[in-house]
Amino acid sequence: AQSVAQPEDQVNVAEGNPLTVKCTYSVSGNPYLFWYVQYPNRGLQFLLKYITGDNLVKGSYGFEAEFNKSQTSFHLKKPSALVSDSALYFCAVRVTNRDDKIIFGKGTRLHILP
Amino acid sequence: DADVTQTPRNRITKTGKRIMLECSQTKGHDRMYWYRQDPGLGLRLIYYSFDVKDINKGEISDGYSVSRQAQAKFSLSLESAIPNQTALYFCATRGTFTDTQYFGPGTRLTVL
Repeated sequence: AQSVAQPEDQVNVAEGNPLTVKCTYSVSGNPYLFWYVQYPNRGLQFLLKYITGDNLVKGSYGFEAEFNKSQTSFHLKKPSALVSDSALYFCAVRVTNRDDKIIFGKGTRLHILP
Repeated sequence: DADVTQTPRNRITKTGKRIMLECSQTKGHDRMYWYRQDPGLGLRLIYYSFDVKDINKGEISDGYSVSRQAQAKFSLSLESAIPNQTALYFCATRGTFTDTQYFGPGTRLTVL
């Protein structure tokens, strides 16, 4: 079955420190991977995606993610965290068949401590 | 994203009532989706539509129905609301040849 796992419900990071939010996936075929962010009382916003090519993908607000095929991971990273990065982050994978669905992880709440 | 709007933004209703949540988009996308978000469960797909005549059930369609009135409009109905349908509901759109979904601001539904 196709799935996405975010093993951490919450991640706490001090402002200015690097941050990592973990994501692993299980799909048949080549994965289309995404990160979305949700701020309070808002819908999800697209951050970045991996389709093919360079394993390091750069996205909005200084975020990047590294695709690792052997570890089936797509971890979200940022070199220096900001308090304003505090939000709920979702990893997602697109199922590339006729159903064409996108499966979301359960989300990781990121707290950046001032 | 202002290109995808949802009404109402908040709704409190009672068990057994019929409820309709509406979604409109100005992005010109043919694909539209309804999700529900519950704490600790992430987003789960209720229904999705590739175009006006192509509607498909998602993983949790029981107790819900949808209507695609036009390319730009996709409504979600709860025929007889029950308390465990209390959740945050999101509409999303996607173009045929793009990979990114665009989400509405959400509707917070409470069923008493």
